[in-house]
Amino acid sequence: DTAVSQTPKYLVTQMGNDKSIKCEQNLGHDTMYWYKQDSKKFLKIMFSYNNKELIINETVPNRFSPKSPDKAHLNLHINSLELGDSAVYFCASSQAGYNSPLHFGNGTRLTVT
Amino acid sequence: ELKVEQNPLFLSMQEGKNYTIYCNYSTTSDRLYWYRQDPGKSLESLFVLLSNGAVKQEGRLMASLDTKARLSTLHITAAVHDLSATYFCAVDMGSGGSNYKLTFGKGTLLTVNP
Repeated sequence: DTAVSQTPKYLVTQMGNDKSIKCEQNLGHDTMYWYKQDSKKFLKIMFSYNNKELIINETVPNRFSPKSPDKAHLNLHINSLELGDSAVYFCASSQAGYNSPLHFGNGTRLTVT
Repeated sequence: ELKVEQNPLFLSMQEGKNYTIYCNYSTTSDRLYWYRQDPGKSLESLFVLLSNGAVKQEGRLMASLDTKARLSTLHITAAVHDLSATYFCAVDMGSGGSNYKLTFGKGTLLTVNP
């Protein structure tokens, strides 16, 4: 009954490869997000989608492409991986009403070698 | 650009002591959140502060918000080892509805020693 689930939990790959991270939420929320947490634990928003529509697209290289097939899913595809992409990527979701904070998934630790 | 600054970034305290973590932010907002993160884990929501003067308490933690000073505090009372974690504050500048845009502070790594 996990609320926000991400797969895989760990991802180790070589530079230049393309990889995807999947995220699903069963909370019925309208908005989903991708956040990146770097090695110093700094969290920064990358994208948000509301009902499959892109809302926030921060300054992220266009090698990163989010895709939302429906409001319960938000996937992140990364092309031509670089060493600097190594981080933990968190998916999150939220619902209308400011009493509702973001609900985060367990994170995907991406290591690029 | 919104800046969110937490201090201290590292806090080592003894069990039973009290301490306060501060979160300052640079742009007017009345929506501030505190999260806890254990090593290798997800972020857990602790407090939602939505108006000036808001104060919330849960166990040994109490959070407050002063929107005029652009300051939130997280006060720890009589710390116990289980409180050891990283604590983040986050300020929302989203467009409303369910569209949040949280900017996080750098986090405070709290270690409570016996």
